Parts: sequence; C-alpha cells; structure tokens
Amino acid sequence: NAGVTQTPKFRILKIGQSMTLQCAQDMNHNYMYWYRQDPGMGLKLIYYSVGAGITDKGEVPNGYNVSRSTTEDFPLRLELAAPSQTSVYFCASSYGRLAKDGYGYTFGSGTRLTVV
Amino acid sequence: AQSVTQLDSQVPVFEEAPVELRCNYSSSVSVYLFWYVQYPNQGLQLLLKYLSGSTLVKGINGFEAEFNKSQTSFHLRKPSVHISDTAEYFCAVTEGIIQGAQKLVFGQGTRLTINP
Repeated sequence: NAGVTQTPKFRILKIGQSMTLQCAQDMNHNYMYWYRQDPGMGLKLIYYSVGAGITDKGEVPNGYNVSRSTTEDFPLRLELAAPSQTSVYFCASSYGRLAKDGYGYTFGSGTRLTVV
Repeated sequence: AQSVTQLDSQVPVFEEAPVELRCNYSSSVSVYLFWYVQYPNQGLQLLLKYLSGSTLVKGINGFEAEFNKSQTSFHLRKPSVHISDTAEYFCAVTEGIIQGAQKLVFGQGTRLTINP
C-alpha cells in the first residue's frame, strides 16, 4: 500500500517554464488536495477535488491549474513559473467521512520546487 | 474564515523535559481539530485529533492535547520528550464541509528542537 505518491521530489525551473507535479493515491479516496508550504507560513490550500471531474479553488490558486480525470490521480500544473512559486508542494487525500478516517488526511512526501 | 495561530514558531527543550506547543483557533462554532507532525524532509503525519467527546485527546508517540472551547485552544503536550521528537508540528482546524470536502486550515507551524 503506497499511500500518496508525489513526483518529482525535487525540481528547478527557469522563470516562464511550465511543469506538472504528479500526485497519485491508491486508497480509493474521493477527496484530494494540493497545498504549498512556505517557511513560517504553514500550509496554504491551492486546489482541491471531491471526485473525478470535480475540482475547485482553494486559498491561493493563482498561477496553477488542476485536473482530476481519475480517482487516483490529481496533477498540479504550473503554466508560467515565477519565483513566487518557489515552495514545497504537498498532495493529500482523504475519505472525508467521519466513520472511515475521522477526516484525517494522508500526505505525500512533497515536491521541492525552485524557480530561478 | 477560520484561522489558526500557533503562538511559538520555535521551541527548544532539553531531552526528558516536558513540552507544550500552543494553538488557538478563531471560530467559536463546532470544529474538528488536528495536530500533524513533519519530520525533516518528509510529509505530514497525523499525531492526534479532536472530533467530539472527551476534551483530552491522546495520540501517537506519547503526545496528548486538550480541547478548550471557551479559550478556543488546542494545546499539544508531552510529559517527557525524546531526541526523536525533533520535528515541526502543525495545528489544523476544519474550515467546513463544502460539497462533502473537508478543508483543513493550518497554523504556521512550531519547530520543536530537543537538545541532549
């Protein structure tokens, strides 16, 4: 049982380049989330999804896009990378049901992105 | 909107000493509360959670937290820390359930450093 798998673990991008951060879970969770973590700022929600084909914006969506074509995968796309997007990105998933997981999230190990 | 304040950004303690990490949240309505731990270069792991019932919640690795509704606090405690407890700790609260998706709002994090 792999849980939540994120790739790549590290990446350096040049300003203006684009890339996709991959996230996959094998727990049949309906709900998936992307957060970014910046020093001293905690985690901020970028986008979330309640199921295949359904996504919505979180607190800091600008500069990002997502899609959810399957239950397992929830990629995050950066179209025009900017230095402000230098961060650590975490994907998470949950059943979102009290009886199943008490609303706890399962997190991936993160992607450390640097934009130069 | 919900907000979470972790009152200490860094907490240094000596091994075998007790520790308290403080967390306050903004809302007075019913909430679910969580503590997550992040070891260096890893994702976040659920330490404990308060959903309902007893206000004293016990988690993994000997940690416990007390929910205080009147003070809107959820402080994390451990009576005797170990070197292996060195990590960053995040307090989180549910913002609400929209379209069935529970969204967590995180505090800024507290870096706990255990000195020998």
